[in-house]
Amino acid sequence: GAGVSQSPRYKVAKRGQDVALRCDPISGHVSLFWYQQALGQGPEFLTYFQNEAQLDKSGLPSDRFFAERPEGSVSTLKIQRTQQEDSAVYLCASSLAGNYGYTFGSGTRLTVV
Amino acid sequence: DAKTTQPTSMDCAEGRAANLPCNHSTISGNEYVYWYRQIHSQGPQYIIHGLKNNETNEMASLIITEDRKSSTLILPHATLRDTAVYYCIVSTLNYGGSQGNLIFGKGTKLSVKP
Repeated sequence: GAGVSQSPRYKVAKRGQDVALRCDPISGHVSLFWYQQALGQGPEFLTYFQNEAQLDKSGLPSDRFFAERPEGSVSTLKIQRTQQEDSAVYLCASSLAGNYGYTFGSGTRLTVV
Repeated sequence: DAKTTQPTSMDCAEGRAANLPCNHSTISGNEYVYWYRQIHSQGPQYIIHGLKNNETNEMASLIITEDRKSSTLILPHATLRDTAVYYCIVSTLNYGGSQGNLIFGKGTKLSVKP
């Protein structure tokens, strides 16, 4: 496709439920990032992949958060035992190698009830 | 914490130039200045970036002061569709020479009015 695709667009989870959020980056984009955006705030970095290698996961807020990109294309962000404070928009971005701007997806809005 | 300071909000008349300032007084020599914007309910959109020279593309111009401590994003003829939150970010390149992790602040909410 022409852009970064994220699914689902909206997700409502009961507290304690596990969720999986999917990101389809632009074909050929080497770099892939996940960001978390709380209501009224700017996005905050979670993790970064270069191809299939997760090179930086310093932004993951707890060990309940896990991300993977096994074949260097599609990525999944998994959140185990969701809590209310996990409610946010989760944004995925990808870019070519080199100093190019990211292309962001529209995000997945997660609401934990 | 974000390394930049931006006004919380600005208004601009449709068809006029929008000049969005950004202070980054602690910028280091290997840090680039990036601008993104976020229209309501969408992901951020890349606009432009620069190191020390002024830059222009089809969307905007970026003016960086000689000491690199501040910059201005210029939208030459603002339209209603330019209403968004504009983020000024400084960042180094990462491992593979790609744009590094971005630390977004609160940005400037630009309202373009008819």
